[in-house]
Amino acid sequence: DGGITQSPKYLFRKEGQNVTLSCEQNLNHDAMYWYRQDPGQGLRLIYYSQIVNDFQKGDIAEGYSVSREKKESFPLTVTSAQKNPTAFYLCASSMGGSGYKRNIQYFGAGTRLSVL
Amino acid sequence: AQSVAQPEDQVNVAEGNPLTVKCTYSVSGNPYLFWYVQYPNRGLQFLLKYITGDNLVKGSYGFEAEFNKSQTSFHLKKPSALVSDSALYFCAVRDEGDNQGGKLIFGQGTELSVKP
Repeated sequence: DGGITQSPKYLFRKEGQNVTLSCEQNLNHDAMYWYRQDPGQGLRLIYYSQIVNDFQKGDIAEGYSVSREKKESFPLTVTSAQKNPTAFYLCASSMGGSGYKRNIQYFGAGTRLSVL
Repeated sequence: AQSVAQPEDQVNVAEGNPLTVKCTYSVSGNPYLFWYVQYPNRGLQFLLKYITGDNLVKGSYGFEAEFNKSQTSFHLKKPSALVSDSALYFCAVRDEGDNQGGKLIFGQGTELSVKP
C-alpha cells in the first residue's frame, strides 16, 4: 500500500448525506483510479483520471463525483444519489506516458463505507 | 466486450502442495494480464504481469503464471503453498486496443485457503 494513502479507513453515511473519500499519492503518478469492491463481484471502475484537471467516467459512475485539481490528489464524493453506497472503496494510481496500458496500478488500503 | 473469469470461488490446498488459481480472459486486441493478492481489509498488492515475451512469468513470493494464448488463460501457480498464501486473488486484464484510459477489468476473485 506504500505511496497511496486513503482516508478515513471507515466511514459512515447518513441518508441524504454526501461524503468524501480522500486519496493522496506521493508516487508522482499521472493516472489515478477509483474502484468499488463488493463481495463476489471483483472490482468495478467508478472514475479515472489520466492527467490533472481531467477525469472520465468508469462503468459505475452514477451517484459519484470526483475532482483532480492536483496531481497527488483524487477525492471521491459519494452523493445522496448513490442509493447503495455500502462497499469497500479502493484508490489506485499508475504511471502515465505512451505505454501507460502496460503499467502496474498500485492500490491504497481502502475505505469501508457503511450506511447508518 | 472485455471480461475476465475466475471459475473457482475458493481453492483449498494443503501446505507444501502445489497450487493453481485459474483465470481466463476475453479481449479484442492483445491482452496485458495481471495478478493481484488481497489480504483482509487491505488494498490489492501486485504479484506479476504478462505484457509480451516468455509465456511463463515469475513474480513475487514464489508465484508464477503461464500465459496461454490459444486457451486465453493466465493461471497463477506456486510449486509449494504456504499457510501465509491464504488470501483473495484477483486476475485482471487490459486490452491493448482499449481507448478507455487503460482501465483494468477484474475477475470476481478466488479465495485461496492453505491448511497446515
